[in-house]
Amino acid sequence: QVQLQESGPGLLRPSETLSLICTVSGYSISSGYYWGWIRQSPGKGLEWIGTIFNNGATYYKPSLNSRVAMSVDTSRNQFSLKLSSLTAADTAIYYCARARGQWLHTFVDYWGHGILVTVSS
Amino acid sequence: EIVLTQSPGTLSLSPGERATLSCRASQTVSSSYVAWYQMKPGRAPRLLIYDASTTATGIPDRFSGSGSGTDFTLTINRLEPGDFAVYYCQQYGSSPLTFGPGTKVDIK
Repeated sequence: QVQLQESGPGLLRPSETLSLICTVSGYSISSGYYWGWIRQSPGKGLEWIGTIFNNGATYYKPSLNSRVAMSVDTSRNQFSLKLSSLTAADTAIYYCARARGQWLHTFVDYWGHGILVTVSS
Repeated sequence: EIVLTQSPGTLSLSPGERATLSCRASQTVSSSYVAWYQMKPGRAPRLLIYDASTTATGIPDRFSGSGSGTDFTLTINRLEPGDFAVYYCQQYGSSPLTFGPGTKVDIK
């Protein structure tokens, strides 16, 4: 059974950088599929942040591209998200996900439970 | 960017009834690349349908998807208590990948 678990801080201040890790169990990241981050906020609904492949290739949503970085650590079976220059608008539940399909044309077949991140001074 | 609109916003039904949820795209979704998800508070979201009409592994055949172009539908036959949730569509035909605002199916 594939399981994903997000970890990281729940409260950050404006201008800080968010760092989240997704730990995958039941499947080896190095075996394939795509891996992504999605967030859900009251104001913007569900938003696909970006996707990474196990070779490190990335795609970021253009409107977030300048603030986002994703990486993968196959030895730990983890992938991560960094989002810089945080504002209150980045307050959301952040989900990590395993994605299927073709590069840039993916849907999620397994989701984490999500982690609430609040940006507030 | 493709904008997805879901209707109705809320659907109030009784167990045993049929739910019909609509997802309309602002432009044609290539290859009918539409997925549907079920979301419940405190639980990991669940994939129901992908490629507009392919039921995901382990999903009961009470769930079905249809549509092409700009109009897509999720149908849930014989609603069960566990089906009352929020449902989202997602298009992956073009970047950026986008989601609809959701339809809440609640108990009448």
